This record gives sequence, structure tokens and C-alpha cells, in this order.
Amino acid sequence: DTAVSQTPKYLVTQMGNDKSIKCEQNLGHDTMYWYKQDSKKFLKIMFSYNNKELIINETVPNRFSPKSPDKAHLNLHINSLELGDSAVYFCASSPRGRLTEAFFGQGTRLTVV
Amino acid sequence: GQQLNQSPQSMFIQEGEDVSMNCTSSSIFNTWLWYKQDPGEGPVLLIALYKAGELTSNGRLTAQFGITRKDSFLNISASIPSDVGIYFCAGRAEFGNEKLTFGTGTRLTIIP
Repeated sequence: DTAVSQTPKYLVTQMGNDKSIKCEQNLGHDTMYWYKQDSKKFLKIMFSYNNKELIINETVPNRFSPKSPDKAHLNLHINSLELGDSAVYFCASSPRGRLTEAFFGQGTRLTVV
Repeated sequence: GQQLNQSPQSMFIQEGEDVSMNCTSSSIFNTWLWYKQDPGEGPVLLIALYKAGELTSNGRLTAQFGITRKDSFLNISASIPSDVGIYFCAGRAEFGNEKLTFGTGTRLTIIP
């Protein structure tokens, strides 16, 4: 029944490690996103994919690499994790077209120690 | 980059009171959205606005798309405990551009 689901919900890892966050949507949407929410709750877009094609890449370090195997999935891989990467990462999706609204997953709280 | 400023940053109100918050931009937006985020959850869409001057309601919530296209307002009438959370405005600058810019958020707390 879940529309946009992310795994894991919590991720605690050491500096320098590589980790992945998975996202799946069953809404049939064409566009998927990754957002980062910092400790002050500020939400900022990181990436957007449309039908497996990258369309938005917002000045994100290249340690972050999104991968979209199909239009229902958008995973986020992070290399060489740093303390500053600690945040909540949200996956979202929206239908393509003029009247678009983003539907968000529950978030993945990443803590780098 | 574009920024959306929300005010107030936080509100402490009593149950039953009405709430007003707004969002302003330095540039024009063609779409305004209002989201609510509960602790440990993702933002949930409350209201979407697509035309300047548009006034839209969703139950006790009413939002307006400012005529200048640079602002939007959200009102909550007769607040209840489950209204507690963080409210975000979000704007889309161009039709067909999937990028949403989020506001800084308004944290609503209800005092017993």
C-alpha cells in the first residue's frame, strides 16, 4: 500500500564507509527525486530523474551517485562518507506534466560517526 | 539560488486558535505548494496552487497564491492537537521544471 518507500529508515556508519539508500515508488510516476534535510530542517533537492534519465543535479559532491535501474526505483549511493553527510535523506516522486506535486517517502536518517 | 522565506519561524498557540503563516520569494513562482511534516515522517502535501490569486481550501486549511506571484499564505482555522508539526511552502519557478524550492519552515506547537 506504501506509495514511496525507502530503506533503510535509519543508517549509522563510520566515516569513510560507502553506503546505499534504496527507494521505490508504486505510483506509476515518471519523475523521482532525492532531497536532503539538514539539522535545521531545511529541505534541498539533490537529484531528479525522469524515466531513468538524470535531469537535475544540484551541486552535490560526486561522492553521491544516484542510480535509476527503472522508473520505479531511484537509489542513492554515497562513497567515502563524511561527518557532514549526516542528515535525513528523502526520496520523492511526481507525475510528469504541468500540474506536478512531489510525494515523499518516510526518509532515511543517516548518521556518520 | 532562489530562496523562500517563511514566517513566522515558530508559533506557540492554544488549541482552537486560528493560525496564519506566509512564504515570500525574491523571484516569481508559477506553482505554490504547502506541505506538513510530522516528526520522523516525510512531508505530506496539503494544498497545491497553480494560478495567481487562487484561493484553495482543504478542510480547515486555506491557502492563497499571491497576486505578485512572489508569495503565498496558509491559514489554519480552529487548530487541533494533530496540527502540530512543521509546515513548509514550496515553489516551482517554471512549468515543466521538476525542481521544487522549499521554504525554511514554520514549526507549530499547541500549548495545552
